[in-house]
Amino acid sequence: NAGVMQNPRHLVRRRGQEARLRCSPMKGHSHVYWYRQLPEEGLKFMVYLQKENIIDESGMPKERFSAEFPKEGPSILRIQQVVRGDSAAYFCASSPMNRGYNSPLHFGNGTRLTVT
Amino acid sequence: ELKVEQNPLFLSMQEGKNYTIYCNYSTTSDRLYWYRQDPGKSLESLFVLLSNGAVKQEGRLMASLDTKARLSTLHITAAVHDLSATYFCAVDTRDDKIIFGKGTRLHILP
Repeated sequence: NAGVMQNPRHLVRRRGQEARLRCSPMKGHSHVYWYRQLPEEGLKFMVYLQKENIIDESGMPKERFSAEFPKEGPSILRIQQVVRGDSAAYFCASSPMNRGYNSPLHFGNGTRLTVT
Repeated sequence: ELKVEQNPLFLSMQEGKNYTIYCNYSTTSDRLYWYRQDPGKSLESLFVLLSNGAVKQEGRLMASLDTKARLSTLHITAAVHDLSATYFCAVDTRDDKIIFGKGTRLHILP
């Protein structure tokens, strides 16, 4: 199955630690989106990347959060000095470079971050 | 900034009944998506709607799009318990950023 792979599925961090969330897009996909979902809420757009380039990061908090999608390897969402309010499910979705007009985003299973 | 509003946010209904979920959005867009999410799971694509007047059906679900009214609907016919889930609409902005509504939590009572 060459779907969108996220790891880890569950991540527990203490306040002040760093969290690294990984996303490998579907084979052939070069664009990655990151969304955050708080319990019983919708998905909030964070960042949209293609390989080696951030296209839109208007949904990213200005501090402590960063994202990258290197030429080789997965996309990484990094949260420094985590706080309890960062606890959420983080979903990654991917699409091909030329997203066909009829093509939806393909989502991974998410990483559930718990900050204690 | 594009805003996407769904209503209702919560819906509890009996099996066998029909109901409609509404999705309004604030700026011009020519692509709208419906997704389903089961508790603790990922999002599954249901429909992609591309043009004004588009209607798509899959089983007991039917989605439509009115781009002039900036409105999409997801209609459920003769609901069954297996359709219990959260349903999201999402709208594609002109710069490929996709914005989601808050979701409609649907609970179908047997």
